Amino acid sequence: EAGVVQSPRYKIIEKKQPVAFWCNPISGHNTLYWYRQNLGQGPELLIRYENEEAVDDSQLPKDRFSAERLKGVDSTLKIQPAELGDSAVYLCASSIDRVQGEQFFGPGTRLTVL
Amino acid sequence: DQQVKQNSPSLSVQEGRISILNCDYTNSMFDYFLWYKKYPAEGPTFLISISSIKDKNEDGRFTVFLNKSAKHLSLHIVPSQPGDSAVYFCAAPDRGSTLGRLYFGRGTQLTVWP
Repeated sequence: EAGVVQSPRYKIIEKKQPVAFWCNPISGHNTLYWYRQNLGQGPELLIRYENEEAVDDSQLPKDRFSAERLKGVDSTLKIQPAELGDSAVYLCASSIDRVQGEQFFGPGTRLTVL
Repeated sequence: DQQVKQNSPSLSVQEGRISILNCDYTNSMFDYFLWYKKYPAEGPTFLISISSIKDKNEDGRFTVFLNKSAKHLSLHIVPSQPGDSAVYFCAAPDRGSTLGRLYFGRGTQLTVWP
């Protein structure tokens, strides 16, 4: 069974530039999560989708971050414009449903903002 | 305010010995806990979990103990192997609402030396 796929794996951009991350969850997983992991910290949730609906985006900085999950499968997370403090690893995870605690994580995208 | 805390950033253990990783939590509504293991450049992978109705769960070399009165859990690895060297995250899902997010600790870097 294929795992959660993310691309790109690494991204280096100048501040104020836009950037986008893509995630393909495990087939059949209705719930999709985007986490951000800062250096030396645990992952923190940015947004959670149940199928196409964003049901928890309270931690998403909406002035510069946006996300979408068209057709309830793949998802894209965008930052525009990027700031120095956005440098982190962005992790995508999926689970069968929100009740099940086990979430399956992708390898992440390491973003460096210069 | 961190609801899940791992106060030891690192642990070094000799191969064959026991590794004990600790985790504390502050939210008394948490009723399910997970341990994730993370290798460099990979996403976290699920290791073992425990429900609050139990005080112990064992899976091969890995055992998790839960002390609800102390709001404390620990992961025991016996015997430790060099391949166990990784960052270990303690996590708890927010089941008290419809959110379903995972709250992570900061992680403990385990190094198992020969």
